[in-house]
Amino acid sequence: QVQLVESGGGVVQPGKSLRLSCAASGFTFSSYGMHWVRQAPGKGLEWVAVIWSDGSSKYYADSVKDRFTVSRDNSKNTLYVQMNSLRAEDTAVYYCARDEGASAAAIDYWGRGTLVTVSS
Amino acid sequence: EIVLTQSPDFQSVTPKEKVIITCRASQSVGTSLHWYQQKPDQSPKLLIKYASQSFSGVPSRFSGSGSGTDFTLTINSLEAEDAATYYCHQSSSLPRTFGQGTKLEIK
Repeated sequence: QVQLVESGGGVVQPGKSLRLSCAASGFTFSSYGMHWVRQAPGKGLEWVAVIWSDGSSKYYADSVKDRFTVSRDNSKNTLYVQMNSLRAEDTAVYYCARDEGASAAAIDYWGRGTLVTVSS
Repeated sequence: EIVLTQSPDFQSVTPKEKVIITCRASQSVGTSLHWYQQKPDQSPKLLIKYASQSFSGVPSRFSGSGSGTDFTLTINSLEAEDAATYYCHQSSSLPRTFGQGTKLEIK
């Protein structure tokens, strides 16, 4: 069965950096686009970024553009997001999620999320 | 950016009632509109993809319809376990966007 397990969350000071990872299993990772979606405490879902199945293209929400970088290692079945210049408003649960296709389909499976808290 | 607006924001319903949640897009998304259920302290789960296709394992009381800019999620004969927040999501264009959510409370 499809499993997505995020890690790397924690408390970080404003302006600092953090890298999240998502370990995938139960499917052919290299065949699927992958997303990061976040949810601030008590708020709705906010799409963050997508990376194509082969890593050839990446797109970001305006709110994180130029600060976050999504990447993947298909040999390790792992998705990453490097988060720099973190702000208080980046505080959220970060979900790794699978695109049903290579990049532009429904998001069909989600991880359980990892909490990032940006606070001094 | 395509804005998705759901209604209502909140609804209190009784078991066995029929519930309709709507999602309106600021521009056409064709049928690239999907519905998710999120229970407290859980990750979202896909219910309906491409406006009307049921995802694997989803109970038949959940159904979706619509195209273009207007979509509905219907829950027939609501059960207590359906207490959750429901989100619509479009994959028609980037950036991807979600509706603000509809919280269902079971009386």
